[in-house]
Amino acid sequence: DAGITQSPRHKVTETGTPVTLRCHQTENHRYMYWYRQDPGHGLRLIHYSYGVKDTDKGEVSDGYSVSRSKTEDFLLTLESATSSQTSVYFCAISELGLVSTDTQYFGPGTRLTVL
Amino acid sequence: GQQVMQIPQYQHVQEGEDFTTYCNSSTTLSNIQWYKQRPGGHPVFLIQLVKSGEVKKQKRLTFQFGEAKKNSSLHITATQTTDVGTYFCAGLGYGNKLVFGAGTILRVKS
Repeated sequence: DAGITQSPRHKVTETGTPVTLRCHQTENHRYMYWYRQDPGHGLRLIHYSYGVKDTDKGEVSDGYSVSRSKTEDFLLTLESATSSQTSVYFCAISELGLVSTDTQYFGPGTRLTVL
Repeated sequence: GQQVMQIPQYQHVQEGEDFTTYCNSSTTLSNIQWYKQRPGGHPVFLIQLVKSGEVKKQKRLTFQFGEAKKNSSLHITATQTTDVGTYFCAGLGYGNKLVFGAGTILRVKS
C-alpha cells in the first residue's frame, strides 16, 4: 500500500462545529484529492490539489475548504458541520494528475458522523 | 454534467458462478479505471484501459473497453469468496475530471 495516512480515523461531532481532517503522504506525489463516499453515490470528488498552495474545486465542494502548505499534507475543513456531511472521507494521491493515464492510491478513510 | 452509470448495484452469486458489472458513460472517456474495495477497506486500483476495444485480463478477471469508449465491463470467471467487495469504474472525461460510478457490490456465497 502507498504511504498514506488519514487522521482521525473516526470522529463524531455536533452540527455547527468546525472539523478538520488530515491526509499525510510519504510518497512525495504532487497530486492529492479528497473524496466522500456515500451509499448509492460511489466516490465524489470534493477538492484536489496539484501542488503546494494550489487547489481546485471538485464535484461537491460546497461547505468544504482545503489547504496544502506542504507537499505531504492536505487538510480538509468543514467550517460548520451539517448532518448531510456525515460520510466516509477518503484521501487519494497520484503522481501525474488527472490529465494523464495515472492511477490513484487511497488512504484508509475517515468515518465522520455529524449529529 | 458527465455521468458514469454502473449496473447492477448489487449481486449475490454462488461460489464458482461468473459475475459481470457494466459501466456506461454519457460522454466519451479518455480512459477508464477499475477499483476494488473490500468491506471496511479503501478502494484499490485494479487496471486502466485506454484504447478503443481494449481487452485486458488479470487471472480470472477480464476487463473490456467499448469501441466507442463510452462503456466498459468487468467479468469475473468462477468467483471465489476472496472476490467479495465493491467494484468501481472511474472514467476520465470532459474537463479532465475523474468520475466514479456508484459501484457494484458483490457477495459470494460459499
